[in-house]
Amino acid sequence: KQEVTQIPAALSVPEGENLVLNCSFTDSAIYNLQWFRQDPGKGLTSLLLIQSSQREQTSGRLNASLDKSSGRSTLYIAASQPGDSATYLCAVNDYKLSFGAGTTVTVRA
Amino acid sequence: GAVVSQHPSWVICKSGTSVKIECRSLDFQATTMFWYRQFPKQSLMLMATSNEGSKATYEQGVEKDKFLINHASLTLSTLTVTSAHPEDSSFYICSASSGRAVWNEQFFGPGTRLTVL
Repeated sequence: KQEVTQIPAALSVPEGENLVLNCSFTDSAIYNLQWFRQDPGKGLTSLLLIQSSQREQTSGRLNASLDKSSGRSTLYIAASQPGDSATYLCAVNDYKLSFGAGTTVTVRA
Repeated sequence: GAVVSQHPSWVICKSGTSVKIECRSLDFQATTMFWYRQFPKQSLMLMATSNEGSKATYEQGVEKDKFLINHASLTLSTLTVTSAHPEDSSFYICSASSGRAVWNEQFFGPGTRLTVL
């Protein structure tokens, strides 16, 4: 059974600081890995999708890396803004999506 | 593109009643749809997977007679919570994929908040 862990569970940083969010998974036989953003009481917004053959994906201030052999992915958010405050979820797709519990980020103005 | 809607966005019902939640793909044909449940401060857990025209496949521990899933068309899936009880109160999120392959990207709806009194 795939287990997905996200560390830290919560993070508070001043505006402008770079964010580093970690995701680890136990079974490296995956098709892809996806990062989502979830605002309180809302659904999921897809941020980045990394295929198993890729090492990283970038979109604007966001960069996600994938090391499948070691079962790790990292989401980097550059120059954080208060609008980046949300919960970030990592999901691993082997034959179904398995989600981590998320990292709740607070960016202080 | 790839927009998924859910209706209603929130619902409050009395214990013992049934509640139906709709999930629609607005701009693509959803061959496969998924239903997830999220309890407060917890992550999403897959409840079931449905392919259009076929019976849903339920995850271990999910009662198929309690959570009825219908996927009768390529743009609509419904989840009916039968004889709802307070412990069924949760955030229900659907997703949709345009293919049956497990690696196809899923597009998520905005979720439905169910409160059972």
